[in-house]
Amino acid sequence: RKEVEQDPGPFNVPEGATVAFNCTYSNSASQSFFWYRQDCRKEPKLLMSVYSSGNEDGRFTAQLNRASQYISLLIRDSKLSDSATYLCVVNMADNFNKFYFGSGTKLNVKP
Amino acid sequence: DAGITQSPRHKVTETGTPVTLRCHQTENHRYMYWYRQDPGHGLRLIHYSYGVKDTDKGEVSDGYSVSRSKTEDFLLTLESATSSQTSVYFCATGSPGRDYEQYFGPGTRLTVT
Repeated sequence: RKEVEQDPGPFNVPEGATVAFNCTYSNSASQSFFWYRQDCRKEPKLLMSVYSSGNEDGRFTAQLNRASQYISLLIRDSKLSDSATYLCVVNMADNFNKFYFGSGTKLNVKP
Repeated sequence: DAGITQSPRHKVTETGTPVTLRCHQTENHRYMYWYRQDPGHGLRLIHYSYGVKDTDKGEVSDGYSVSRSKTEDFLLTLESATSSQTSVYFCATGSPGRDYEQYFGPGTRLTVT
């Protein structure tokens, strides 16, 4: 079983739509959680860290559910520029060498 | 963004040849990482460094070695390249004071023929 699992998509949505991705993780010792964005043939870029209380950055909202071991990313009012692959990343027990990446969820926002 | 560069950006090499990829950072981050990214696998950790001359193996370290002689440079060597090492290689850096956030270089696309 993979440490981190994501629905690969693609999610095809119209501009202005709200879309949500989930990511599940298998190790309850996981401590830090992140969403990264990766454009085609580019490097991953940090979108946001995910805190226990949930956090919001503009149109993006991240939530953590420790009981069910998943994190979510909600994108409101989707823009064409949001089209990318979104990677879920989990860090184990605040350990600098224990990062696990999901395979990513692809989002296509269409006009 | 952390100042991270990788060289070369693209390389084609033949099976059995040694290959060295370089990662250079200007952010004075303590931790540096080498990942490979392949379809369906996500990013997988090859080796990492937690300081100058301090390195250790990651999840997929067989066939790879690393060295870090300066804070800013982290080298990845494929000792004898194989076709299974055709991949995109990303270097990343991290700082413990930033909740373990990682910052990635632009990647090196390596093809082993």
